[in-house]
Amino acid sequence: EIVMTQSPGAVSVSPGERATLSCRASRSVGTNFAWFQQKPGLAPRLLIYGASTRATGVPARFSGSGSGTEFTLTISSLQSEDFGVYFCQQYHNWPTTFGQGTKVEI
Amino acid sequence: QVQLVQSGAEVEKPGASVKLSCKASGFTFSNYYIHWVRQAPGQGLEWMGVITPSTGDTGFAQKFQGRVSMTSNSSATTVYMELSSLRSEDTAIYYCSRAWGRLSPSEFWGHGTLVTVSS
Repeated sequence: EIVMTQSPGAVSVSPGERATLSCRASRSVGTNFAWFQQKPGLAPRLLIYGASTRATGVPARFSGSGSGTEFTLTISSLQSEDFGVYFCQQYHNWPTTFGQGTKVEI
Repeated sequence: QVQLVQSGAEVEKPGASVKLSCKASGFTFSNYYIHWVRQAPGQGLEWMGVITPSTGDTGFAQKFQGRVSMTSNSSATTVYMELSSLRSEDTAIYYCSRAWGRLSPSEFWGHGTLVTVSS
């Protein structure tokens, strides 16, 4: 199965600053790639799919890029409500697999 | 609005089985796929499998083959996931989620069901 590796494990960002999260796939997944945000006690929320398409209702400050094996989630100007853990997912190959998560602390 | 309402928390002994439910509303049940993903305390997301509610077709992660089953009741718009031979490592929150494909991200998630396996 494809292994997804996220970096860094945790990042501390001040409000208004840019946050950049990375995810690497062990082999190419094309653009069959998604990002999720999860806050404590809640289910994951889909942010990005197709590597760069924002899901419904996701603010424009979230942007995704990349293809193949290297992907990036950028939060252009971090807001206090953006804290949480961010997971990446590939859905190119069976079984779908997730990264281990990056914790974003404000 | 789209809703996935999951059954309540369960406490089971090692070796037992647990059957969780996920009731869907607000969308055409037969047009989507329902996935199950679990999350152990403080850990990441682990995909378990998927069911096509309209046909009952299933697909599972190899790790769970032989120990998991998924069924659907179209008239009740409810999907069930049963996990057998429980062990302590199965303690986790179990989420059902809706996706547009067998291999696609889930855009709607249930609130999760906590399963605790303890003697």
